[in-house]
Amino acid sequence: QSVLTQPPSASGTPGQRVTISCSGSDSNIGTNPVSWYRQLPGTAPKLLIHLNDQRPSGVPDRFSGSKSGTSASLAISGLQSDDEADYYCAAWGDSLHTVLFGGGTKLTVL
Amino acid sequence: QVQLQESGPGLVKPSQTLSLTCTVSGGSISSGVYYWSWIRQHPGKDLEWIGYISYTGNTYYKPSLKSRITISGDTSKTQFSLRMSSVTAADTAVYYCARGTGQLAFDVWGQGTMATVSS
Repeated sequence: QSVLTQPPSASGTPGQRVTISCSGSDSNIGTNPVSWYRQLPGTAPKLLIHLNDQRPSGVPDRFSGSKSGTSASLAISGLQSDDEADYYCAAWGDSLHTVLFGGGTKLTVL
Repeated sequence: QVQLQESGPGLVKPSQTLSLTCTVSGGSISSGVYYWSWIRQHPGKDLEWIGYISYTGNTYYKPSLKSRITISGDTSKTQFSLRMSSVTAADTAVYYCARGTGQLAFDVWGQGTMATVSS
């Protein structure tokens, strides 16, 4: 069981806005920045968001991140069929002295 | 543009040592402020960070794996390696090398290499 908790699945229809949550604690999300990754089937994860809400160059502004207290969220607007993927959150864990990943959320575009 | 490529044997026997290499093209592990990491993904899809070698050559390992792993860089600064000893079936995973930023966000990843531990 991952220290960072994500819903195992999420879904939406094309054009819709969906959010994926990531819940942690004071010793990880509460004090350290969160990053988000997207993993398409058979490929490596790709960085979508870092420093809680910053998009790397090349990531569309349809993707946005936020953090409040010990939870973080990834929002995807204008949902597209190729957004179907697994999404992971990550943050440093102060008490475990390691990078923590969430268990992943499988997004289905209906 | 930096690219990463993992290489290594796909099959390792239990109790032996897994050795993987990550080749960096378009840059070196000593340029910029980066933390060159190994991350693995178990068959159930859980991602697990293993450790890094920094741009200064310092290393840091996940505490629960520390006794079994060594991450090193080569003199050309275009490769870094992972050695994991005493492997068991629980070490079967896809192993990725990745470039970590100062806050350990991983902005460049290799394609991954599958390592299976089996007799």
